[in-house]
Amino acid sequence: ELKVEQNPLFLSMQEGKNYTIYCNYSTTSDRLYWYRQDPGKSLESLFVLLSNGAVKQEGRLMASLDTKARLSTLHITAAVHDLSATYFCAVDPVGNQFYFGTGTSLTVIP
Amino acid sequence: DSGVTQTPKHLITATGQRVTLRCSPRSGDLSVYWYQQSLDQGLQFLIQYYNGEERAKGNILERFSAQQFPDLHSELNLSSLELGDSALYFCASSPGGQRNQPQHFGDGTRLSIL
Repeated sequence: ELKVEQNPLFLSMQEGKNYTIYCNYSTTSDRLYWYRQDPGKSLESLFVLLSNGAVKQEGRLMASLDTKARLSTLHITAAVHDLSATYFCAVDPVGNQFYFGTGTSLTVIP
Repeated sequence: DSGVTQTPKHLITATGQRVTLRCSPRSGDLSVYWYQQSLDQGLQFLIQYYNGEERAKGNILERFSAQQFPDLHSELNLSSLELGDSALYFCASSPGGQRNQPQHFGDGTRLSIL
């Protein structure tokens, strides 16, 4: 059974601090997606990582992919309150069938 | 606004009933995906349609079925509803079969079974 695990599940961090969310998956996938979900809202696409070694950055968020280790990271730099949300990673190993991680609920404290 | 429209936003019904959830994809998108999000199961892929044809199936129960119509909107039918079917049901769309494209999600339909 394919598993996509994120850690931590819950993260409380102070504004201005840095932290990393990890996404491990159990099967081969050369693509990985990161999404953000605000409470009671829909999912918003953040990054699409298309190959081993891919790195993408948008504002205070940077995502990377290591397909050999089956690991993706989402790094948060100098967190601000607006980043408080739940972050999901997803893999698509067989094409057109997304498997989502457990989600990481991030709270940024002033 | 993702451009994906789901109706209704909320649905309250009883066990044993049948409901239909509707999704209109973004203009130009040919693929539609359905997901179920619940506290205990997380976000689970149900089924995908591409240009009217079923493309992929995930953890979709036999009591559930879906279809995509010629105008590309999609419906998810849930029958013989059980308490455990209470969840947030998302529809997402993407332009086509290319795997380098993210999916764009609608706001979801919250289904409550009493």
